[in-house]
Order: sequence, then C-alpha cells, then structure tokens
Amino acid sequence: NAGVTQTPKFQVLKTGQSMTLQCAQDMNHEYMSWYRQDPGMGLRLIHYSVGAGITDQGEVPNGYNVSRSTTEDFPLRLLSAAPSQTSVYFCASSYGGPGLAGYEQYFGPGTRLTVT
Amino acid sequence: AQSVTQLDSQVPVFEEAPVELRCNYSSSVSVYLFWYVQYPNQGLQLLLKYLSGSTLVKGINGFEAEFNKSQTSFHLRKPSVHISDTAEYFCAVSDASGGSNYKLTFGKGTLLTVNP
Repeated sequence: NAGVTQTPKFQVLKTGQSMTLQCAQDMNHEYMSWYRQDPGMGLRLIHYSVGAGITDQGEVPNGYNVSRSTTEDFPLRLLSAAPSQTSVYFCASSYGGPGLAGYEQYFGPGTRLTVT
Repeated sequence: AQSVTQLDSQVPVFEEAPVELRCNYSSSVSVYLFWYVQYPNQGLQLLLKYLSGSTLVKGINGFEAEFNKSQTSFHLRKPSVHISDTAEYFCAVSDASGGSNYKLTFGKGTLLTVNP
C-alpha cells in the first residue's frame, strides 16, 4: 500500500512551458485534491474531485487544469507556467465517510516546482 | 466559508518545556478540525482530529488538542517537547454540515523550534 504518490519530486520550468504533475492513490478514495504551499500562506486548494469524471475549482484555480478519468489518478496540468506558480504542490486523497479514517486527508510527498 | 487563524507564526521553546500552539477558526456551519505536522522537506502528516464527541482529543507523539466551541478555538498542546518535534504545524477545518467535508481550509502554519 503506497498511499498517495506524486511525480516528479522536483521540476524546473521556463515561463510559458506546460507540464503535468502526476498524482496517484491506491486506497480507493473517492475524494482527491491539489493544494499549493507558499511560505507564510499555508496550503491553498487549487482543484478537487469527488469521483471519477467529477472535478471542481478550489480557492486558487487560475492557470491549472485537472481531469479525473480513474479513481486512482488525478493529474494537475499547468497550461503556460508563470513565475507566480513557483510553489510546492501537494496532492491529497480522502475517504470522506464515517469511521476511524473518516474525513482525514492523506497527503503525498509533494512536488517542488520552480518557474524561471 | 471557513477561515483559520494561527496566532503565532513561530514558537521557540526549550527541550522538555510545555508548548501550546493556538488556532482559532471562523465558520457559519459546524466544522471538523485537524492538526497536521510537516517535518522539513516532507509532506503533511495528521496529528489529530476532532469530528464529534469528547472535546479533548489525543493524537500521536503525545500531542493533544481541545475543541472549544464558544471560543471557536482548537489549541494544540504537548506537556514536554523533544528536539524531534521541531516542525511546522498546520491547523485546518472542513465543513461538517455535509457535502464538502473533503475540502480543507488551512491556517498559515506555526513553526515550532525546539532548542536544546
């Protein structure tokens, strides 16, 4: 059971380039989310999904796209990278139901992205 | 919508001293409350959570937190800290009224530094 995995761990992009951050979970969780972490800002929600084929915007969605074709995978796409997107990106998943693991989000190890 | 305020951005303490990290939240609906810990260059790990029931919640590594509804607070405490507790701590809330409990709103974090 690997939990939530993210690739790559580090990435450097030039302004205007596009890329996809990968996220996968093997816990059969319905809910998956992407957050970005910036110094002094905590974590902010970018996009989330409540199941395969269903996604919605979070607090800071501009410049990012998501899709969810399977329960396991939830990739985050940067369409045209900007220096303001330099951040650490975390993917999370959750069961979202009652019980001991209820409502807890499990986080991946993060992707550190630098846009020059 | 919810918001979370972590009242201290940095808390330095000496080893074996007690510590309290303060968290206040604002919400028009009932909430679930969480504390996460992030060790340097790692992802987030759940310390403890309040979903319902007893307002005193015990978590991992000797931490505990108390939910105070009247003061809308969820302060984290440990009676005696270790060097290994040095990390950033995040308070988070989600909507307990149904439908969006999988979306977390985070505070900006408190950096706990334990000195020998």
